[in-house]
Amino acid sequence: SAVISQKPSRDICQRGTSLTIQCQVDSQVTMMFWYRQQPGQSLTLIATANQGSEATYESGFVIDKFPISRPNLTFSTLTVSNMSPEDSSIYLCSVEGRQDSSSYEQYFGPGTRLTVT
Amino acid sequence: QKEVEQNSGPLSVPEGAIASLNCTYSDRGSQSFFWYRQYSGKSPELIMSIYSNGDKEDGRFTAQLNKASQYVSLLIRDSQPSDSATYLCAVTPGTYKYIFGTGTRLKVLA
Repeated sequence: SAVISQKPSRDICQRGTSLTIQCQVDSQVTMMFWYRQQPGQSLTLIATANQGSEATYESGFVIDKFPISRPNLTFSTLTVSNMSPEDSSIYLCSVEGRQDSSSYEQYFGPGTRLTVT
Repeated sequence: QKEVEQNSGPLSVPEGAIASLNCTYSDRGSQSFFWYRQYSGKSPELIMSIYSNGDKEDGRFTAQLNKASQYVSLLIRDSQPSDSATYLCAVTPGTYKYIFGTGTRLKVLA
């Protein structure tokens, strides 16, 4: 499985500001995923990011609020823009590891715990 | 109807017992199924994946898949207090598409 790191691990931010979360993988991967996990909730996919193309956002998430960069095959960033307390959440980066053409698995980074005051 | 349904629990089992966790899904086209364990304050950790009907065993864990019934389960044998966590079921209804359930909280009582 891939080793994934995220920075920062946690942050406390003021409303109206923006935070950029970095995700680094120890191997080249085609697709990277960004999730949000609100307190006591399950994971919600924000977007998928393929190197060299625009990220694909899920319903309810927009690029202006969550811009994503994917400059190469081992790195991605997610920015949470113009934050409000409702953005307080854990943000998780993940990658998909394909074992063969029909089997693949998803692995998660350690997450970024964001609190907006 | 939720796409992936799990009983939120908590499911309490005594140490050494078998814990049985269940998950149902709505998309009949789903091809891959996963169980993740998530400790409080930590990120999800993959413990089992299953792709075809039947049972798949890995140590104390057994995943069971029944696509006709749209049902996937996880059995944990000889449960230990360290197994106490939230278990998330995930299915893939399409390429690069993962849908997670809300998770079942398991408590193993010493």
